[in-house]
Amino acid sequence: SQTIHQWPATLVQPVGSPLSLECTVEGTSNPNLYWYRQAAGRGLQLLFYSVGIGQISSEVPQNLSASRPQDRQFILSSKKLLLSDSGFYLCAWSQGLRNQPQHFGDGTRLSIL
Amino acid sequence: KNEVEQSPQNLTAQEGEFITINCSYSVGISALHWLQQHPGGGIVSLFMLSSGKKKHGRLIATINIQEKHSSLHITASHPRDSAVYICAVGTYNTDKLIFGTGTRLQVFP
Repeated sequence: SQTIHQWPATLVQPVGSPLSLECTVEGTSNPNLYWYRQAAGRGLQLLFYSVGIGQISSEVPQNLSASRPQDRQFILSSKKLLLSDSGFYLCAWSQGLRNQPQHFGDGTRLSIL
Repeated sequence: KNEVEQSPQNLTAQEGEFITINCSYSVGISALHWLQQHPGGGIVSLFMLSSGKKKHGRLIATINIQEKHSSLHITASHPRDSAVYICAVGTYNTDKLIFGTGTRLQVFP
């Protein structure tokens, strides 16, 4: 069966520090991969979307970047965190076909001090 | 105006009550998703539907494509149903979803 792992679960970082959040998927190949952010009291916002290795679409201009070095690995990064980067980050995957459900990781709660 | 609107934003109920959460959308869709987010933050996909009705246990999801409206019903609600319920739509020619802001449900014993 397919599983998605996302870590860490919580993270507290100072302003200006770097960030690396990792997401891996098992039990499937060539999935679509997604990074979402959920700010307090707001809906999910799609940050990045990938249909294959090295293929990243950015949905909103921001201080973050994403990379997909392997088929089932998706990394969210920042060189210098801002206070506004605080939030709940979720990784998700879906089969690379139309109208497939998305499967979410457990999320990372990021607090910037 | 958001492309996906949910109502109500917050909902409280007594155990055993019948619950209805509504979702309206303004774009052409290929499918509509209902998701459940637990207090810890984890999200579970409940339903994906493009027409008619689906049932899973005490949960029922319906969609009316002509009216661009979907409802999620919970029969015989239980405190463990307390969560945020999120509606999301997939549009044509893309695998990306547009999310509503969620409905926070609290069921009291």
